[in-house]
Amino acid sequence: QKEVEQDPGPLSVPEGAIVSLNCTYSNSAFQYFMWYRQYSRKGPELLMYTYSSGNKEDGRFTAQVDKSSKYISLFIRDSQPSDSATYLCAMSEDTGKLIFGQGTTLQVKP
Amino acid sequence: DSGVTQTPKHLITATGQRVTLRCSPRSGDLSVYWYQQSLDQGLQFLIQYYNGEERAKGNILERFSAQQFPDLHSELNLSSLELGDSALYFCASSVGQLNTEAFFGQGTRLTVV
Repeated sequence: QKEVEQDPGPLSVPEGAIVSLNCTYSNSAFQYFMWYRQYSRKGPELLMYTYSSGNKEDGRFTAQVDKSSKYISLFIRDSQPSDSATYLCAMSEDTGKLIFGQGTTLQVKP
Repeated sequence: DSGVTQTPKHLITATGQRVTLRCSPRSGDLSVYWYQQSLDQGLQFLIQYYNGEERAKGNILERFSAQQFPDLHSELNLSSLELGDSALYFCASSVGQLNTEAFFGQGTRLTVV
């Protein structure tokens, strides 16, 4: 079993929809939770960073962490075609070692 | 542009050969991280250096080694290359030792033939 599980999709939604992306994990020592966006053939770009449990909002993006369920989510409101990319969750303990999910491919159709 | 520079962008080499990938971190960042991304394994953490010292290690093969120089740039050396080493290799950098707000370079695409 992988430490971090993420449904690879693909996920296809119409423009303007609310998108929900999720990851589960098994290591209860994870404290730092991140979401990255990766466009084809580009490096990952940090979207959101959350420490421990709770919610964090940044514009159209909301990250949620539920440590009791070992479950994290990223919500994208009013999705745009430019949001079409692969979204990677990532998490770490109190070290520099970051464990990534497999990534979910999102397509937002105009 | 993340400010992290990786060279070369593409590399094609034969099995058994040795290559060196280079990374220049963002100005002011002390940590450098190396990752390997392949279709079947996803993005895998290889190794972290902080201010010249090794800080964290992932599933890095013994054929692979890295170092961070006094000017903070880093090199990843891959030797005795195999077909399975073909992948995208990313470098990332951050100010501190935790990989919470790291910025990634554009990657080096390595093809072993």
